[in-house]
Amino acid sequence: GQQVMQIPQYQHVQEGEDFTTYCNSSTTLSNIQWYKQRPGGHPVFLIQLVKSGEVKKQKRLTFQFGEAKKNSSLHITATQTTDVGTYFCAGPRNTGFQKLVFGTGTRLLVSP
Amino acid sequence: GAVVSQHPSRVICKSGTSVKIECRSLDFQATTMFWYRQFPKQSLMLMATSNEGSKATYEQGVEKDKFLINHASLTLSTLTVTSAHPEDSSFYICSARPRGQGLTYEQYFGPGTRLTVT
Repeated sequence: GQQVMQIPQYQHVQEGEDFTTYCNSSTTLSNIQWYKQRPGGHPVFLIQLVKSGEVKKQKRLTFQFGEAKKNSSLHITATQTTDVGTYFCAGPRNTGFQKLVFGTGTRLLVSP
Repeated sequence: GAVVSQHPSRVICKSGTSVKIECRSLDFQATTMFWYRQFPKQSLMLMATSNEGSKATYEQGVEKDKFLINHASLTLSTLTVTSAHPEDSSFYICSARPRGQGLTYEQYFGPGTRLTVT
């Protein structure tokens, strides 16, 4: 079945260090979304990428959609303690255009 | 804008009882709402899709008689866990897509309900 994997599963960085999470889909995606879930909280939408090779930036966050539209990455420059949480990528399901399949997630811990 | 609420935020119930969880879109209409289940340190697993005015569609492996979904209006969907057992203990999250969103797949999530069955 359709799978979306993320690596690493977990990363612990010192505040100020950079962080990158990679998302790989078993199928081509029409778009990819990224969500952040703080500990004990719910997923919050960050961004959606649609075009092949697209790069979008939100302050210290840089999102990229692969040329083949099967992978994506999220890079955080100079992490802060407020970046702590789990980052999920998500793409449309093959069955049901409104449904999303979520990646396995990358849990980020930032030490001050 | 695009706020989704869930009630209750936490519930503890005894094995064999039923629990109802409400999901409301507060400032938009949602023809479609989704119910997810999340175990600790794991990803979100879609349980079912709730469509206003029609029956919910369930993902493979999800018992429709155990997880009853009703989407009575464009702003409210409910999930009832019937005859709950300890293995049903989990974090249940709903999400909604605003009506007329077109090709945007963005979903707005509720704060979640933590269910503990004793």
